[in-house]
Amino acid sequence: DVKVTQSSRYLVKRTGEKVFLECVQDMDHENMFWYRQDPGLGLRLIYFSYDVKMKEKGDIPEGYSVSREKKERFSLILESASTNQTSMYLCASSLGTGGDYGYTFGSGTRLTVV
Amino acid sequence: AQSVTQLDSQVPVFEEAPVELRCNYSSSVSVYLFWYVQYPNQGLQLLLKYLSGSTLVKGINGFEAEFNKSQTSFHLRKPSVHISDTAEYFCGTQGNKLVFGAGTILRVKS
Repeated sequence: DVKVTQSSRYLVKRTGEKVFLECVQDMDHENMFWYRQDPGLGLRLIYFSYDVKMKEKGDIPEGYSVSREKKERFSLILESASTNQTSMYLCASSLGTGGDYGYTFGSGTRLTVV
Repeated sequence: AQSVTQLDSQVPVFEEAPVELRCNYSSSVSVYLFWYVQYPNQGLQLLLKYLSGSTLVKGINGFEAEFNKSQTSFHLRKPSVHISDTAEYFCGTQGNKLVFGAGTILRVKS
């Protein structure tokens, strides 16, 4: 089975800190995604990547950036964390785009910014 | 743009009762529809998907969904729920990326 691993289950950071959320997948998937999950809003796409060094903005990219230097790793960066970025962050990967390809999700990182 | 709307934020139901979680979609192109489940403190897991063909799709854990083009709906059903089905359920549609609804929390009571 494909495994998507997020390095931290829980994180607490201070306002203004630079925060890195790491995601690694082990099945050579082309595509990787970062979502944030908030009650009543579902999952909203922050950024995604179709290939190494490539990135595309999702629906809510403001305040975030990403890095994909290796195929298996996709990092989400909060340049200067703010309290409104307190949320659950979910990483996902897929072999390709289109409906034939399912997504595999990590277990999530719950980030609290104080 | 593709989108989905989940019509209920929470659905309480007694154990062994039937349940329906409602999802409507909006799309002007080919429709790929999904249901994912998130158990407490876990990531999302695929329940079932509709790509084409038969409009009744069977998934894991006894769930099924029916694609209804005329009503632009993809409702999720289970004839008899268990306590272990308590979770949040997300309807999704996929073009080059997966777009989710706001989620429906299913609470199964004994």
